[in-house]
Amino acid sequence: TQLLEQSPQFLSIQEGENLTVYCNSSSVFSSLQWYRQEPGEGPVLLVTVVTGGEVKKLKRLTFQFGDARKDSSLHITAAQPGDTGLYLCAGQYNNNDMRFGAGTRLTVKP
Amino acid sequence: GAVVSQHPSWVICKSGTSVKIECRSLDFQATTMFWYRQFPKQSLMLMATSNEGSKATYEQGVEKDKFLINHASLTLSTLTVTSAHPEDSSFYICSASGGAEKLFFGSGTQLSVL
Repeated sequence: TQLLEQSPQFLSIQEGENLTVYCNSSSVFSSLQWYRQEPGEGPVLLVTVVTGGEVKKLKRLTFQFGDARKDSSLHITAAQPGDTGLYLCAGQYNNNDMRFGAGTRLTVKP
Repeated sequence: GAVVSQHPSWVICKSGTSVKIECRSLDFQATTMFWYRQFPKQSLMLMATSNEGSKATYEQGVEKDKFLINHASLTLSTLTVTSAHPEDSSFYICSASGGAEKLFFGSGTQLSVL
């Protein structure tokens, strides 16, 4: 069974602070996606990482894929209240099986 | 970007009735669609993988006779919750594969069974 661990599950910070969310697996991913979900809506894709060691930036968000393609991180710089939401990592394994992490519920207080 | 339409957005039904949820890929063909269930403040749990023209593959613990999946065309998959009970109340989300590493989600369906 492929397990994907995401941490932390809950994060409450003040506006302007930085934060990092982690996604780890014991198995190698063929690719990994990060999503953000608002209540009552479907997840929206933020980024896809495929190559080990890859780093992608999306404004204040930085996504990193581990060299061994078993872990990934999402770093948000100077968080804003608009960043509040549920962040999900989803890893696709070589057998095309895709699994979601438990999610990180981020609250950014003004 | 690609669009996946899910309908209805919310539905309230009486216990014992069946509810059908549709998932359509509007501007691309999806040979594979996925159905998830999400409880409040929790992550998505994969229920089944829907393959066009063949039987769906269900995850362990998901009753295939209760959650009927039909993927009759390259743009439409349906999930029917049969004989719904209050414990089936949940947020159901579909996604469609638009190619390598591309997965697009519907907006979800909130099911409330009275």
